[in-house]
Amino acid sequence: NAGVTQTPKFQVLKTGQSMTLQCAQDMNHEYMSWYRQDPGMGLRLIHYSVGAGITDQGEVPNGYNVSRSTTEDFPLRLLSAAPSQTSVYFCASRLNRYSPLHFGNGTRLTVT
Amino acid sequence: GQQLNQSPQSMFIQEGEDVSMNCTSSSIFNTWLWYKQDPGEGPVLLIALYKAGELTSNGRLTAQFGITRKDSFLNISASIPSDVGIYFCAGQSAERTSYGKLTFGQGTILTVHP
Repeated sequence: NAGVTQTPKFQVLKTGQSMTLQCAQDMNHEYMSWYRQDPGMGLRLIHYSVGAGITDQGEVPNGYNVSRSTTEDFPLRLLSAAPSQTSVYFCASRLNRYSPLHFGNGTRLTVT
Repeated sequence: GQQLNQSPQSMFIQEGEDVSMNCTSSSIFNTWLWYKQDPGEGPVLLIALYKAGELTSNGRLTAQFGITRKDSFLNISASIPSDVGIYFCAGQSAERTSYGKLTFGQGTILTVHP
């Protein structure tokens, strides 16, 4: 099983550029989410989805958009990249609200 | 928002020593999870706790869900070099409107010297 797959693994952007981080899961999980990881800050929730067509904001949503058109995919869009968005981004999924999260291997994003 | 304080922030130990780390919260949680992250990878679930007072083991790892539902600890016995990594606690809110969102601690960086 592939589990949670994130692409790309690394990305460098210039300030103001836009891009989409891809996330796909093959476990038929209802719940998907995006976290960013910064040194000393742990993992902070950006956006989450409890099912296809349903998304909501997490702790740090500004500058990011998401959509959930299928159960499998949950892309994260950076509309106009800023240096403050330099981080490691993790996508995660879970079967339902009571089960543990499964993480992808992350996307390392640098904004110059 | 909810706050999770994880301590210590980092630990440097000798192989064979036992390790203990803990998390405390200002809010009640109905689930506590412990994850380990190896360099360049995503966090991997170690132990899940679902009931106050629950004590659960996974090999050399033991974790407990505090009676007050506001804290949890993780112990690693007889550490080995492959225990190196970042350990995260995560708590799930008991509030129905939270949709099961997890709050993560800041992480404990563990270094094991052979």
